[in-house]
Amino acid sequence: AQSVTQLGSHVSVSEGALVLLRCNYSSSVPPYLFWYVQYPNQGLQLLLKYTSAATLVKGINGFEAEFKKSETSFHLTKPSAHMSDAAEYFCAVGHGGATNKLIFGTGTLLAVQP
Amino acid sequence: DAGVIQSPRHEVTEMGQEVTLRCKPISGHDYLFWYRQTMMRGLELLIYFNNNVPIDDSGMPEDRFSAKMPNASFSTLKIQPSEPRDSAVYFCASSLAGQGDGYTFGSGTRLTVV
Repeated sequence: AQSVTQLGSHVSVSEGALVLLRCNYSSSVPPYLFWYVQYPNQGLQLLLKYTSAATLVKGINGFEAEFKKSETSFHLTKPSAHMSDAAEYFCAVGHGGATNKLIFGTGTLLAVQP
Repeated sequence: DAGVIQSPRHEVTEMGQEVTLRCKPISGHDYLFWYRQTMMRGLELLIYFNNNVPIDDSGMPEDRFSAKMPNASFSTLKIQPSEPRDSAVYFCASSLAGQGDGYTFGSGTRLTVV
């Protein structure tokens, strides 16, 4: 069975500060891992994905995530937060198998203070 | 491609009325998912289809909810009769099997039952 845990339902950072959103997963098979972003009143948009290639994955808007198998983690980072990064972020795990089903975390709401 | 298209964007209805939400997936995608999002419960998977066939409807809250996918380019989620607790944002998403591309989400339908 697969699962994903996002630590911290709310994270607040100052503009220009490092953004770190945590995601830990559980999977009995090599996982596919995803980060999605949801801006207010919009659908979820794919930010980046890991599918067993490079462990450091770069996404849109300057975000990146590193797959660490030993820690079963896939934390999302951005060196310098921008006001426009304020949104909800979801981590998801899947394995691209027959079910093609992703398991989503509960989300982390990122606030960026001026 | 125009992405996943949902209609309507907003729906306000009276308790007891029938509500039909519509979704057009990305052409060529063979999986379609219906999600519900609320503040209290977060993102919930209601049902998903593979090649127009329902695979798992265990997330459908009760018999008042039904979903169909008559062809590869159209799906509906129906609530009959609607209740105030059904108020939520309903998302449709589609994906391609086994490619690790994740899901593409529509913009959602915000349903308010008064």
